Amino acid sequence: QLQLQESGPGLVRPSETLSLTCTVSDVSVVSRPYYWVWIRQPLGKGLDWIGSYYDDGRTFYNPSLRSRATVSIDMPRNQFSLRLSYVTAADTAIYYCVKRGGPTAPVWGQGILVTVS
Amino acid sequence: DIVLTQSPLSLSVTPGEPASISCRSSQSLLHRTGYNYLDWYLQRPGQTPQVLMFAGSFRAPGVPDRFSGSGSGTYFTLKISRVEAEDVGVYYCMQALQNPLTFGGGTKVEIK
Repeated sequence: QLQLQESGPGLVRPSETLSLTCTVSDVSVVSRPYYWVWIRQPLGKGLDWIGSYYDDGRTFYNPSLRSRATVSIDMPRNQFSLRLSYVTAADTAIYYCVKRGGPTAPVWGQGILVTVS
Repeated sequence: DIVLTQSPLSLSVTPGEPASISCRSSQSLLHRTGYNYLDWYLQRPGQTPQVLMFAGSFRAPGVPDRFSGSGSGTYFTLKISRVEAEDVGVYYCMQALQNPLTFGGGTKVEIK
């Protein structure tokens, strides 16, 4: 059964880089036609798209992050990653990785709370 | 960017009664394939968003059939035929037609 699991530090200091990994089981991160998405949710607020990695290697980012975000895949480890640089308290949120694409329902990870302090 | 507007903002429903939430898009979400790139999610308190519907009207695995999605283009509706206590939470619509992917502001559903 397809599962996604986020991992990484729960606490990051201001101005440093947040690094998260999403480990994917039961499907390859390079399988078509899937693409991989990072979404975040500040506590008590709505959902915000961070960026996506497509099966052809294209990446797209939320312009509001002002080029601080980088998404990538690690094929041997079957992982999907997010790096967010120069973090501030405004980046404190629950971060979710999501598999999308194809004729199937999206699949979300359980999420990981990252606090910037 | 595509803007999604949900209504109502909140809903208080008697168990066993129906409920309906709408999601209006600033642009058509109908892809050339004929599918609408619109999902519905339920986020129960303290939990991860759960996919209810994808491609507008396709129920996700494990979702009770009291949930249904309809609509096309710029107007979509999520209906619950008979609300149960476990349906409380915040409902979101989300478009995946184009980047940036965007979400509606959410509809909070409570039980009377």
